[in-house]
Amino acid sequence: NAGVTQTPKFQVLKTGQSMTLQCAQDMNHEYMSWYRQDPGMGLRLIHYSVGAGITDQGEVPNGYNVSRSTTEDFPLRLLSAAPSQTSVYFCATRGETQYFGPGTRLLVL
Amino acid sequence: AQKVTQAQTEISVVEKEDVTLDCVYETRDTTYYLFWYKQPPSGELVFLIRRNSFDEQNEISGRYSWNFQKSTSSFNFTITASQVVDSAVYFCALSDDSTTSGTYKYIFGTGTRLKVLA
Repeated sequence: NAGVTQTPKFQVLKTGQSMTLQCAQDMNHEYMSWYRQDPGMGLRLIHYSVGAGITDQGEVPNGYNVSRSTTEDFPLRLLSAAPSQTSVYFCATRGETQYFGPGTRLLVL
Repeated sequence: AQKVTQAQTEISVVEKEDVTLDCVYETRDTTYYLFWYKQPPSGELVFLIRRNSFDEQNEISGRYSWNFQKSTSSFNFTITASQVVDSAVYFCALSDDSTTSGTYKYIFGTGTRLKVLA
């Protein structure tokens, strides 16, 4: 039982490059979400999904896309990375509380 | 609008001292949930407690205790006899009741960095 897993743990991108942050869960939770954590700003919700095929925007969705084809997976896509997207990204699932993945540290140069 | 305020940006204490981390929230919902998470230097987010708005009983778990007061919209966290391993960033969070609202709002405070010195 791995809980919530995220890959990669660390990534360096150049401005304009694209990439996908992977998130997988084995808890069979319908609700999944992506947050970014920036110094002094806590965690801010990017996108969330209440089940396969259903996604919605959070507080800071610009520059990010998501899809949810299965209950287990919820990838986050950066289509054209910008330095402002340098952050730590957390994926989470929600049962009675939210369970967070270990995070992906992204640096955009 | 929902809001969570953790006014203490950073706190330093000497080992074995007691320390209280403050959390003040704003919400118009009658049913809501409050949480505390710990983020140690390794970076993961560790769930500590969940409290619903109808349960104002204080809770104690080992050296940790939580004081929930609806009258002052506060959900404070106290560590008794602090230890170096308690050094971390602590986040307070507020969630609505998604089963009724369907909105799944989950708001974090900006966190309090606790440094426990040996």
